[in-house]
Amino acid sequence: DAMVIQNPRYQVTQFGKPVTLSCSQTLNHNVMYWYQQKSSQAPKLLFHYYDKDFNNEADTPDNFQSRRPNTSFCFLDIRSPGLGDAAMYLCATRETGPGYTFGSGTRLTVV
Amino acid sequence: TQLLEQSPQFLSIQEGENLTVYCNSSSVFSSLQWYRQEPGEGPVLLVTVVTGGEVKKLKRLTFQFGDARKDSSLHITAAQPGDTGLYLCAAPGGTSYGKLTFGQGTILTVHP
Repeated sequence: DAMVIQNPRYQVTQFGKPVTLSCSQTLNHNVMYWYQQKSSQAPKLLFHYYDKDFNNEADTPDNFQSRRPNTSFCFLDIRSPGLGDAAMYLCATRETGPGYTFGSGTRLTVV
Repeated sequence: TQLLEQSPQFLSIQEGENLTVYCNSSSVFSSLQWYRQEPGEGPVLLVTVVTGGEVKKLKRLTFQFGDARKDSSLHITAAQPGDTGLYLCAAPGGTSYGKLTFGQGTILTVHP
């Protein structure tokens, strides 16, 4: 059973049109992460939540925002997607151990 | 910033061959992880190594953590087409929230 669920799996959005990606978890983990991964590259951390505490990476563009209304859900909002934002977006969770549990990702295409 | 250098970046081999992927750093890590990612999917944790010199086996995969906890290797014996994917090493980035730093990844293709 999927423990970190990302919806949708594939998202096509228009240049400049706001888009929201969602992530839910059944693990009750207190830390949730959003990563951006471009083709065949390593994932790049955008931000993470420790419970409700939001932590933004210094080089994450202002165009990217996140919300975590409760333990189970976390959203990634891209306010004005550009062509360079096309990527796989990965959600991950962690509790006390070092390993992450990743979702299957959302492949974002910007047209 | 703690950097992880993976090599090789690309590996294309025939079914049945053996291979080794390396992950090196100048930093000492408390632990190191290996993930495998198939196209269109998220990374899946294969193993976590925590003790210097530790060797862990997962079927045909052997993971080793260097004595000084600065490097690691992944060895696959008798590779199969199902082993094809992106292999990523990752280590804690030093924050208490468990930020992971990833290596650049190794794209492995195993041809039948």
